[in-house]
Amino acid sequence: NAGVTQTPKFQVLKTGQSMTLQCAQDMNHEYMSWYRQDPGMGLRLIHYSVGAGITDQGEVPNGYNVSRSTTEDFPLRLLSAAPSQTSVYFCASRPMGQGNSHEQFFGPGTRLTVL
Amino acid sequence: DAKTTQPPSMDCAEGRAANLPCNHSTISGNEYVYWYRQIHSQGPQYIIHGLKNNETNEMASLIITEDRKSSTLILPHATLRDTAVYYCIVRRMDSSYKLIFGSGTRLLVRP
Repeated sequence: NAGVTQTPKFQVLKTGQSMTLQCAQDMNHEYMSWYRQDPGMGLRLIHYSVGAGITDQGEVPNGYNVSRSTTEDFPLRLLSAAPSQTSVYFCASRPMGQGNSHEQFFGPGTRLTVL
Repeated sequence: DAKTTQPPSMDCAEGRAANLPCNHSTISGNEYVYWYRQIHSQGPQYIIHGLKNNETNEMASLIITEDRKSSTLILPHATLRDTAVYYCIVRRMDSSYKLIFGSGTRLLVRP
């Protein structure tokens, strides 16, 4: 298993540009989520999904859109990038239900700079 | 979700046990204690979790006090690769599965 993969690893944008951060997992996990981590701080939840076609907002959703058309993929869209969105973005997934559903698996991150 | 308090930094010698404390005095009966770590800007890695009982896995042991107001993560034989930021997280199980990461404890394992 590749686990949780994210592309690109690094990205530089100009203010106002749009882009999509890709996240994919091959573990058939129902739950997927996006976090951002600002320098010296912990991670904050942006959006999450409990299955294909179902998404919901986390604590910092403004400026970001998500969709979940398949179990495997959960892209994060920035419609009009702002310098305040400069951060490292992590995608995570986990199985739902009982048993081994406590562990979340994180991707390697995408480091985004908005000029 | 209950707030957690961790020391900002700790260090230990390689091969010795690392004991990382966490205070969660406002924890509720249905809230779990989770530990994750983050090695040098990589994605966080799950270590262990518990509700009431002490837990052990291949990575670490989790000791939860009887009143559940604090816990200790124990890395029995720390190696240089255990140098990381360790996060103690307390949360209940709900549909958001949101993990609230505080500032954590930066553990430095010395050769």
